Amino acid sequence: DQQVKQNSPSLSVQEGRISILNCDYTNSMFDYFLWYKKYPAEGPTFLISISSIKDKNEDGRFTVFLNKSAKHLSLHIVPSQPGDSAVYFCAARKTSGSRLTFGEGTQLTVNP
Amino acid sequence: GAVVSQHPSWVICKSGTSVKIECRSLDFQATTMFWYRQFPKQSLMLMATSNEGSKATYEQGVEKDKFLINHASLTLSTLTVTSAHPEDSSFYICSVERVGAEQFFGPGTRLTVL
Repeated sequence: DQQVKQNSPSLSVQEGRISILNCDYTNSMFDYFLWYKKYPAEGPTFLISISSIKDKNEDGRFTVFLNKSAKHLSLHIVPSQPGDSAVYFCAARKTSGSRLTFGEGTQLTVNP
Repeated sequence: GAVVSQHPSWVICKSGTSVKIECRSLDFQATTMFWYRQFPKQSLMLMATSNEGSKATYEQGVEKDKFLINHASLTLSTLTVTSAHPEDSSFYICSVERVGAEQFFGPGTRLTVL
């Protein structure tokens, strides 16, 4: 049972344009969501997070949007840079625990 | 700087042997560490939660006798893959949790069982 899903395995955008990565979840008990970036043969690094009491959180070029009614979140990167090319994982957890549930990941490629 | 280290970064072993992977929290004491496994082009799957001074909590479907976890100190957790087989070949990643902050992940260990 995949409780966190990233339906797009890959995304390709041009440098300077916006990258939009999507994530859906099914467990209504999730109330904290995170995005991680991962390069090959490395561990994930934390990018940005959002609590369910908010619908938007911004940090520099990265913005995460949360639509609780649709159980959907998205990560916007603008402007996209070639160094942003990596696999992006969406993760979710419940307030009562630390356990993270990850999506399958989306490979973002930003072309110069 | 790195918050979490793993050793070794990669290991190749023969089928039937045991392999130990270390995970160290470098910047703070971690009562809880997590072990994940990632197969190629798949998600990170939580294997177990390592608790300092007590038994690890394993996720459903993970064999605790095959994947031995020891969290002997507040900065070190080890994962031992016993009697490894080719299907155990994977990328093993640990993470540590700091209260009030996100999980910090180690660089991972690539295990190849021949």
